[in-house]
Amino acid sequence: NAGVTQTPKFRILKIGQSMTLQCTQDMNHNYMYWYRQDPGMGLKLIYYSVGAGITDKGEVPNGYNVSRSTTEDFPLRLELAAPSQTSVYFCASSYSRGVNTEAFFGQGTRLTVV
Amino acid sequence: AQTVTQSQPEMSVQEAETVTLSCTYDTSESDYYLFWYKQPPSRQMILVIRQEAYKQQNATENRFSVNFQKAAKSFSLKISDSQLGDAAMYFCAYRSRAGANSKLTFGKGITLSVRP
Repeated sequence: NAGVTQTPKFRILKIGQSMTLQCTQDMNHNYMYWYRQDPGMGLKLIYYSVGAGITDKGEVPNGYNVSRSTTEDFPLRLELAAPSQTSVYFCASSYSRGVNTEAFFGQGTRLTVV
Repeated sequence: AQTVTQSQPEMSVQEAETVTLSCTYDTSESDYYLFWYKQPPSRQMILVIRQEAYKQQNATENRFSVNFQKAAKSFSLKISDSQLGDAAMYFCAYRSRAGANSKLTFGKGITLSVRP
């Protein structure tokens, strides 16, 4: 059982480049999330999705886009990378209700924009 | 909007002693979930304990227990018999029970160090 898989684990981008962070889960979770974590700080929500075809903005959505065409996948797109987007990115997923509603996290992607 | 506040940025505890990490939250909802997550230097996010708001009984998981005060909107984590492996960053988190607004909101975290 792979859980939540994020790729890549590390990436260096030049200013103005674009990239997609991939996230896939095999637990049939309907909720999925993208967070960024700056050094020594907490997790800030970028975007989230409560099901396929439904996405919504979190607290720091500017400069990012998402899509959710399937239950399993929730890619995060960075357009025109900026140094302020240097961070560690986490994808997470969870059930909507029931006994086990905690979020499961991927191992993170460390992104540096130079 | 729901907010989660962890006002202590750092705490330290002697090995084998007990430490309590504080968390408060703000919400107008009556039904929700609360979580404590641990993040060691490996960056992996690990669930420590969960609490459902409709349950009055405080959750416990081995050496970890919570003090859930719904009226005061307080959710503190107690770690008993602290071990060196408990050293990590700890995050408190809130989630609505279900619906379109079910985003998982985190506090800023607290760094716990354990002295041998």
